[in-house]
Order: sequence, then C-alpha cells, then structure tokens
Amino acid sequence: EVQLVESGGGLVEPGGSLRLSCTASGFTFSNAWMSWVRQAPGKGLEWVGRIKRKSDGGTTEYAAPVKGRFTISRDDSKNTVYLQMNSLKTEDTAVYYCTKLSVYQIDYWGQGTLVTVSS
Amino acid sequence: EIVLTQSPGTLSLSPGERATLSCRASQSISSNYLAWYQQKPGQAPRLLIYGASTRATGVPDRFSGSGSGTGFTLTISGLEPEDFAVYYCQQFGSSPLYTFGPGTKLDIK
Repeated sequence: EVQLVESGGGLVEPGGSLRLSCTASGFTFSNAWMSWVRQAPGKGLEWVGRIKRKSDGGTTEYAAPVKGRFTISRDDSKNTVYLQMNSLKTEDTAVYYCTKLSVYQIDYWGQGTLVTVSS
Repeated sequence: EIVLTQSPGTLSLSPGERATLSCRASQSISSNYLAWYQQKPGQAPRLLIYGASTRATGVPDRFSGSGSGTGFTLTISGLEPEDFAVYYCQQFGSSPLYTFGPGTKLDIK
C-alpha cells in the first residue's frame, strides 16, 4: 500500500522559514517523480513544484508564486522528499500535500500538513 | 498558460441521479493530459480518471470520463451517498506544469 506521510507544518511568522518532510512507503521511491500541491483554507488546489527521479536528472520545477523562495529536494536513502520554504508570506498559508506523480497526473496524495503564516 | 474552467460551481442532486460535470480548457489539450480528482471534506484528493477517460485503480465503473480538445466531462451514473464531494479537473502543461480547475461541489439535494 502506498503511503505518503508529511510532517513539519506549523505556525511561522511572515518572512520566516519552514521545512516540510514527506516519507514514502509502498513503492520504489527512487524511481518516482514527486510533487507538492497546496490548498489554502476553503480554496482549490495549487501545484507548488516537482522533483524528478535522479536517473532523470533529479531536476526541479516550481510554480511562479513560489519560485526563488521554495526548494524541493529528495533523499532516496530515506525515502523522503522535502519542501524548504523561505521568505514565507501570509498567502502561503495552506495545507501542503506531498504527492507521487504518474506521468501526467498525481496518483497518490499524502494526508497533508497545515502551514500557517501569521504574526 | 492554460486555464481550466469547471461548471457548474455547485451541483445539487439526489442519490441515484446522474451527475454531469464539465471542464473546459482555454486552449486545446491532449486527452492524455487531463485528469479528474475527488475530494471529500477533511481528506486529500483522490485520483479518479486520467487520460480523460481511464479509471484509476479501484474507482467504481459508475464514474466515467470523456471529451477532447477543450471540453471534457466527468459523468457519475447512479449517485451513491459517498459520491457527494468536490471534483477537480487537472491538466498537464508547460508553465505551470500542473493546473487545476476551480472545482465543482456536488451536494445532496
């Protein structure tokens, strides 16, 4: 059974930093392309960024609102993907979902972790 | 950037009825690039349909997807109580890579 378990969410002040972690199981993590998607309270879904598997270069892509502030990385030895969030803004407040990609869509989602940016 | 529009915003139906949800793209997209998700309150989304018409593993056959170009449809035939949720379409593109529609809320009449 595929499982994605996020951690690291919480309350942070504007301008602060936070690192989210997502530990995966139930599939060969090193072969997977992984992604983060967020959902502001009461709003729709917004893609944040993606990291390819190392054999495909391990490269990352980001949505415009987070580019230059957020960084996705992975540690295949720990089956873990990370989302480093810097220079946080109030509009970054959302539930952040770790997701596994399957070609052109997301085939598995974690349960999400809430990030609140507020003073 | 391709924009997805979903209609209606809210659809009120009774169990047993047929639901038809629409997703329109601002430009033509490949059917391979269109997916549908279901999200229940307090839960993560779940993949229902990919490639516009292929059901994901474990999805009941009352869910079906169709369409091409700029118009896509998710049909739920014979609504069950557990089907009342929010439905999102999603497309794979260039920038941003993944775009979601605003969602259709399917609620009980």
